[in-house]
Amino acid sequence: DADVTQTPRNRITKTGKRIMLECSQTKGHDRMYWYRQDPGLGLRLIYYSFDVKDINKGEISDGYSVSRQAQAKFSLSLESAIPNQTALYFCATSDPPGLTPFTGELFFGEGSRLTVL
Amino acid sequence: AQKVTQAQTEISVVEKEDVTLDCVYETRDTTYYLFWYKQPPSGELVFLIRRNSFDEQNEISGRYSWNFQKSTSSFNFTITASQVVDSAVYFCALRDNNAGNMLTFGGGTRLMVKP
Repeated sequence: DADVTQTPRNRITKTGKRIMLECSQTKGHDRMYWYRQDPGLGLRLIYYSFDVKDINKGEISDGYSVSRQAQAKFSLSLESAIPNQTALYFCATSDPPGLTPFTGELFFGEGSRLTVL
Repeated sequence: AQKVTQAQTEISVVEKEDVTLDCVYETRDTTYYLFWYKQPPSGELVFLIRRNSFDEQNEISGRYSWNFQKSTSSFNFTITASQVVDSAVYFCALRDNNAGNMLTFGGGTRLMVKP
């Protein structure tokens, strides 16, 4: 089983619908992230969380919200989906900086492909 | 602000050719990490290498090698004797102490290796 699991893996929805992408991890990491991938733009950070009570906006948070339900779970919501949110979404985790050496390496889920019509 | 540029959006080679993927980064930190990830057609992201800013020694892993040049802020990736299975999108990324220790990714280079 994957250490970082995303559901659903594929979703097609319509403009205006509410969508939730879920992420769970078994790596025991405190830090979790949501990235969005668009062709030619690489991965851009949407939101991140350093522990259960911590939520931070990333580079492109507008139109998204997140919930950190537990150390192992971090969900991404699109309250009212629009076509330009069509993308591949990745959840990731990383070690906290207290570990030595801290490298910031991200461990990714398999991605959730979202299409908004 | 930190930035990663992969100027080559797409490269096409014939099997067995060598190919180099360029990565140029910008950071004001003296301590940082650089990464390469591979994304095959199946879509997952596969970690390839991590390099810290204090170690400029080039690294070789099988057919893969990485050339870190601090003087030119580059961290290029070479595949020797490319194979069809190397076809993928490759991402270079940077982590420094700014921006909450986040990884900043380049736009990616799509490599197509033809038989």
